[in-house]
Formats: sequence, structure tokens, C-alpha cells
Amino acid sequence: SQQGEEDPQALSIQEGENATMNCSYKTSINNLQWYRQNSGRGLVHLILIRSNEREKHSGRLRVTLDTSKKSSSLLITASRAADTASYFCATETDSWGKLQFGAGTQVVVTP
Amino acid sequence: EAQVTQNPRYLITVTGKKLTVTCSQNMNHEYMSWYRQDPGLGLRQIYYSMNVEVTDKGDVPEGYKVSRKEKRNFPLILESPSPNQTSLYFCASRKGTGELFFGEGSRLTVL
Repeated sequence: SQQGEEDPQALSIQEGENATMNCSYKTSINNLQWYRQNSGRGLVHLILIRSNEREKHSGRLRVTLDTSKKSSSLLITASRAADTASYFCATETDSWGKLQFGAGTQVVVTP
Repeated sequence: EAQVTQNPRYLITVTGKKLTVTCSQNMNHEYMSWYRQDPGLGLRQIYYSMNVEVTDKGDVPEGYKVSRKEKRNFPLILESPSPNQTSLYFCASRKGTGELFFGEGSRLTVL
């Protein structure tokens, strides 16, 4: 079964708006990562947050992690049409090497 | 240029005809992994390798084989492909426990 599950499954917003998506997971983790995928292409790494961290930023991206709730959120601020993609969270537990992905959130940003 | 290269990118084959999808990385990464991506299911890990001659099963290893004889290569072998192995396959690699670098994917159709 999947470790991480993203919510919502799909998100449609206009340029300039913020996009927030969430990831919930089931078991304790060592780290959680967010990836982006453009239509059938390879995934691209966005941010890694470790279990002892609560928030990380990278450009217009902000990731939070709440280990007590077993959840993470990815915020994209001031979205652009080029942010249109699918976004996946991936979790790594104590079983180093088993990096498990959720089903993803499909984000569409309209001009 | 640092990259993960998969071949073939597209393949149509018939049930039972053995095939190999190659994966090569030029970043001297110890860790390599194979995923399959199916609609609504996200990415599911097939096999991974922590280093040369060390391989482990992921979540969906049935029907697949791998080998890691050299650090740079991690081929995925389908001994007797079946239609339920029709999927988009991704190879990925990383150094240590950080971000994964993905190939561009191999779209396989088994008739």
C-alpha cells in the first residue's frame, strides 16, 4: 500500500494565486520529499525535509512537516502557468532505500 | 551533463518475449531504483540497489528481475512480460540519502 497520499487529487487556479497541497503518511519517517512531474516526463526534486525539521523554503516553495499529524504541505506562492504539473510527495522510513510515493496532485495554472 | 539514461524510451512487445530496459547514470551514485507509474497509483517501487551486488525488493517486484554488476548500470529485466506490466517505467539514482535523479522514462506496452 502507498505510504503517502496527496490531497487534493487535482487543483485548478489562476496565475498569481497560491496553491497548497497536502500529503499524509502512515508510519514514522526519516525524511519527506516533494517532486514535480511535467506530463509523463521524469520527476524533478523540489525539496527534502527531514523528520526533525518543521519548515523549509526554496524560492516560491514552502514545505511544512507535522510529524505528530503525519502530514506535510507544499505551498506554491504566486503561481505561474509554468507551474502546471503533477506534484508528488515521497516518504522514506527507517528502511533506507524504500522511498514510497503518493498518487500525486495535478495542478493546472491558467493565465 | 549529469543524467540518468534509460533505453528504450518506447517499446511495444508481446506477451512472453523477454526484454530488458537499461538504466545508466554518470553521477557515481551508489543508490539506484526502478519505479513503475500507472494512472491513479502514482509511482510504485519495483527494486532498488544500495550499491554494487546489493539489490532489494520494493513494493511490486513480481515479474521483474534486476542486477547491479557495475555501479553505473541497473537494468530491469522482464523475463516473461504480461499485459499487466504495461506501464511507464522510471529509473532513478542518488548519492547517500538525498534527492533522487530520474530518467525520462520508458513507456512499455505488452500486447
